[in-house]
Amino acid sequence: ETGVTQTPRHLVMGMTNKKSLKCEQHLGHNAMYWYKQSAKKPLELMFVYSLEERVENNSVPSRFSPECPNSSHLFLHLHTLQPEDSALYLCASSQVGPGGNYGYTFGSGTRLTVV
Amino acid sequence: SQKIEQNSEALNIQEGKTATLTCNYTNYSPAYLQWYRQDPGRGPVFLLLIRENEKEKRKERLKVTFDTTLKQSLFHITASQPADSATYLCALDPLRNTGGFKTIFGAGTRLFVKA
Repeated sequence: ETGVTQTPRHLVMGMTNKKSLKCEQHLGHNAMYWYKQSAKKPLELMFVYSLEERVENNSVPSRFSPECPNSSHLFLHLHTLQPEDSALYLCASSQVGPGGNYGYTFGSGTRLTVV
Repeated sequence: SQKIEQNSEALNIQEGKTATLTCNYTNYSPAYLQWYRQDPGRGPVFLLLIRENEKEKRKERLKVTFDTTLKQSLFHITASQPADSATYLCALDPLRNTGGFKTIFGAGTRLFVKA
């Protein structure tokens, strides 16, 4: 299998639930990302694992928790979410080098609905 | 603050015509600019990357221009087809964005190509 694979494609969860999103990349890239996409808004970077460094957007609530066990796998752990967290969550990978980042490969996304 | 503007109104064109989408930016000096295609409920797909020292880049029916004086990129699809209907996103990267966490995405422009 090639590219970036995300599971599940759809997720409905209650505000008291705990769930995890999973992402796997088969491209040998050295950086992985979580993005949030809400309707008619730009992609919002949540977390980056790049060159063994983790970077996070300080505006992301602590109810979102990333985990990157190796360079091919990325998880986003969710707990006590709010209805406004409903969105499309996208995983991406890229190859970064001295010159910069040369394009992202995105997964198909997880459509999350919090009820 | 840094800002990317893409036309929020949908672009409707007739099949066979050239579609032109605009990406404007302010308070930013990108080293390179990327264009993505996104279908509903799916992740964005990388199309083209153009560097600041390149005026134009082509790929099959696609053409991208990059004018750092006007702070604008134009994305053209020639001989458009109904299958080209999608949302098109532009993204800017600064120089040495080795962590990949400084990319800024636009909100995208929806393109409808009528048969």
